[in-house]
Amino acid sequence: DTEVTQTPKHLVMGMTNKKSLKCEQHMGHRAMYWYKQKAKKPPELMFVYSYEKLSINESVPSRFSPECPNSSLLNLHLHALQPEDSALYLCASSPPLAGGSTDTQYFGPGTRLTVL
Amino acid sequence: KNQVEQSPQSLIILEGKNCTLQCNYTVSPFSNLRWYKQDTGRGPVSLTIMTFSENTKSNGRYTATLDADTKQSSLHITASQLSDSASYICVVSGSYKLSFGAGTTVTVRA
Repeated sequence: DTEVTQTPKHLVMGMTNKKSLKCEQHMGHRAMYWYKQKAKKPPELMFVYSYEKLSINESVPSRFSPECPNSSLLNLHLHALQPEDSALYLCASSPPLAGGSTDTQYFGPGTRLTVL
Repeated sequence: KNQVEQSPQSLIILEGKNCTLQCNYTVSPFSNLRWYKQDTGRGPVSLTIMTFSENTKSNGRYTATLDADTKQSSLHITASQLSDSASYICVVSGSYKLSFGAGTTVTVRA
């Protein structure tokens, strides 16, 4: 299995809803990432998990809450989002290298989120 | 500040023709440079990865070059196909964080 899967593909939610995005990989990668991508813009890093521990939080608002239950799964819990949070949310994984540098990141297909 | 600049922003080519995309970066320290292809609404897919000591890497009809001295890279697409229509993103790895270019949108027309 050489892919990163994400569910759901599309999600529409209201500003008072609570929802979760799911990401899964079975490549044995120990680094996993959440990115946010607006239309015609490059992905923006949100969170990095290394060996199931949160290692990087790029000053993301607390309405986004990541969780890494095990080495294959990464969740992003959403609560009280704003319309401007509508975007493509990408998950990626990679085998972390020594010194903190990263190998090629494998991206999932993304979840298209719309906040009404 | 680490920056990755790509040009052109977009281009249109006829099927079967070649094209070259450019990437200039100021990322330091430098670990590696990758080119990704991203179809609309999909996640990026890695095409090539090059480290400091590599100056060319091919993947089928895609050939990437790297000049680490001038901090420039190019992606050459040979004999373009309709399926090559996508955004091509140059990504430079320094430390823990990747620096993304804004991408070049390529449209291949029959």
